[in-house]
Amino acid sequence: DADVTQTPRNRITKTGKRIMLECSQTKGHDRMYWYRQDPGLGLRLIYYSFDVKDINKGEISDGYSVSRQAQAKFSLSLESAIPNQTALYFCATSANGGSPDTQYFGPGTRLTVL
Amino acid sequence: SQQGEEDPQALSIQEGENATMNCSYKTSINNLQWYRQNSGRGLVHLILIRSNEREKHSGRLRVTLDTSKKSSSLLITASRAADTASYFCATDAGGSYIPTFGRGTSLIVHP
Repeated sequence: DADVTQTPRNRITKTGKRIMLECSQTKGHDRMYWYRQDPGLGLRLIYYSFDVKDINKGEISDGYSVSRQAQAKFSLSLESAIPNQTALYFCATSANGGSPDTQYFGPGTRLTVL
Repeated sequence: SQQGEEDPQALSIQEGENATMNCSYKTSINNLQWYRQNSGRGLVHLILIRSNEREKHSGRLRVTLDTSKKSSSLLITASRAADTASYFCATDAGGSYIPTFGRGTSLIVHP
């Protein structure tokens, strides 16, 4: 979905390096999310934000941090990357509250930690 | 942990056949959604069914929900090679309405 963009699309890094994944959206949504996808495990929620001042941990937040710089921007950081953080990372957005929470996904960032 | 679990994990059919995949979940839900993912790409929302609905249609898609059995099914009729993708169910419960995704069903449609 071109309304949700992620950079970089692919990244190879080494153990111990700090890395930031960025997400931008033009949908005007307040809610933004970061997921990781591993083969056979589906999508797991890392962090989510309901507005600029609201950040919440998801199912697997250990080893990650996030920053909501603006309504349209939500970045994910790995302070010290480790090999088991190798995965496909997705950013998603959804409309302003209410039910249901239909999500719009970015194209993903494939991260490899050596 | 996943709330919904899709079955089967993989499905291989011929073009023109129908494809049925199922999703089971553990706790009461507000809504159930189905998403599609083409290889290595972001998920795309297909259809939503609310807990008080039993069946929804959208084009070649038919979704049913049986809350007594805590299960849903997605039927794709007259499948096409372009339907080849992974399909995920996502359920939400409680007040946050954040969907929880299953592990997905990988569908291959042979031309």
